[in-house]
Amino acid sequence: NAGVTQTPKFRILKIGQSMTLQCAQDMNHNYMYWYRQDPGMGLKLIYYSVGAGITDKGEVPNGYNVSRSTTEDFPLRLELAAPSQTSVYFCASSYPRGEAFFGQGTRLTVV
Amino acid sequence: GIQVEQSPPDLILQEGANSTLRCNFSDSVNNLQWFHQNPWGQLINLFYIPSGTKQNGRLSATTVATERYSLLYISSSQTTDSGVYFCAVYNDYKLSFGAGTTVTVRA
Repeated sequence: NAGVTQTPKFRILKIGQSMTLQCAQDMNHNYMYWYRQDPGMGLKLIYYSVGAGITDKGEVPNGYNVSRSTTEDFPLRLELAAPSQTSVYFCASSYPRGEAFFGQGTRLTVV
Repeated sequence: GIQVEQSPPDLILQEGANSTLRCNFSDSVNNLQWFHQNPWGQLINLFYIPSGTKQNGRLSATTVATERYSLLYISSSQTTDSGVYFCAVYNDYKLSFGAGTTVTVRA
C-alpha cells in the first residue's frame, strides 16, 4: 500500500500563476484533509472532505479550492498564486474519528 | 473552534535524559494523536490515543480525556528523537493541531 501520495514534492510558481496539488490515498478512507505549514509553525486546516462530493472550509480557505469526485482523490487548486501561499502543504486521510495518515508534503514557493 | 495548547514550546535534552511533553485541549474530543515531524519535514505517526496509556519502545503516551490533556513521555532520549512533536485532536469532523514542542537532543 502506498498510503497517501502527494505530487509534486516541490514547485516554484510565479505570482498570479495557478496550479493543482494532487493527493491520492489507497486506504479507502472517507475523510481527507489539506493543511498548510508555514516555517516554524503548526499545521492549519485549509479544506476537508467527509466523502465524495462533500467538502467544507477549514481555518484558512481563502485563495484555495478543492473538489472530491472520488473517494481516492482530493486535489487542491491554487488560483492566482500569491507570496503568502509560500508554504509546505500536507494532505491526510482517515476513517471517521480514526487515525489520520499524512502524505510527504509539497513544498511550494511563490516568487 | 477547539484550542490545543502544547508545552513546553522548546526542550533541550542531553542524550539519555527523560522528558514529558504536555497537550491540553479546550473541549471534548473523539480522538487524539501524537506525531513526530523529523528534520526532513515528514510527519510520523506515534500514537493514536483517545484515552488510556500506550507504549511503543522508549515512547509512551497517556490521555485523560475527562480532564482534557495528554502526555507524551520520552525515555532515554537519543539524537534521533530530535524534531517537532505535535498533538492533534479530532473534534467536529476536523483534526486540529497544537503549535508543537521542538525537541533537541544533544550527544
